[in-house]
Amino acid sequence: AQTVTQSQPEMSVQEAETVTLSCTYDTSENNYYLFWYKQPPSRQMILVIRQEAYKQQNATENRFSVNFQKAAKSFSLKISDSQLGDTAMYFCAFMKPFYGGSQGNLIFGKGTKLSVKP
Amino acid sequence: DGGITQSPKYLFRKEGQNVTLSCEQNLNHDAMYWYRQDPGQGLRLIYYSQIVNDFQKGDIAEGYSVSREKKESFPLTVTSAQKNPTAFYLCASSTKDRVNTGELFFGEGSRLTVL
Repeated sequence: AQTVTQSQPEMSVQEAETVTLSCTYDTSENNYYLFWYKQPPSRQMILVIRQEAYKQQNATENRFSVNFQKAAKSFSLKISDSQLGDTAMYFCAFMKPFYGGSQGNLIFGKGTKLSVKP
Repeated sequence: DGGITQSPKYLFRKEGQNVTLSCEQNLNHDAMYWYRQDPGQGLRLIYYSQIVNDFQKGDIAEGYSVSREKKESFPLTVTSAQKNPTAFYLCASSTKDRVNTGELFFGEGSRLTVL
């Protein structure tokens, strides 16, 4: 079974600085997808960034980027130029491809609570 | 505007009562999901449905039931058999195309408290 581990329950960062959130996972699959979801205080989860395991290039979305280390099964999220609106819970998630029988189900880590301080 | 609507946002019930949480989407999505969120536990999958009139158990289905009679609706019933029902419940949906990309669209959640 796949597992996702986020070892940092809480983190804080000063506005405009950079922060990195850690995520490791365990799987015997060779092809899969990894995600970072954000849950702000309003509680509505939104997708931040997505990485396909067969792609070596790290995904980037504006101020958000990932460091995907497939051999190490590591998938960290870097937030540059942190903004107050980045304050949220961040969840790392894993998914097998649909053809692998996943039915599109995500396996989530326990989350990291990020606070951006002015 | 298109989106997922969960109701009620807050619900209080006595032990032993069944409660039903509503989830409606107007995104024309085929797949719908129910997740449970507990502090320090992340999200755990309760049930999911890829198509009308069909649904599958997730990792923690015991004590819950669902129906999928319409594409837009996927209500969740928390039965009296659920031993620890107090939690935050999130509904999500996805298109068939997006099922394989992992992008889920979430509602704002329903917080159930059993007294």
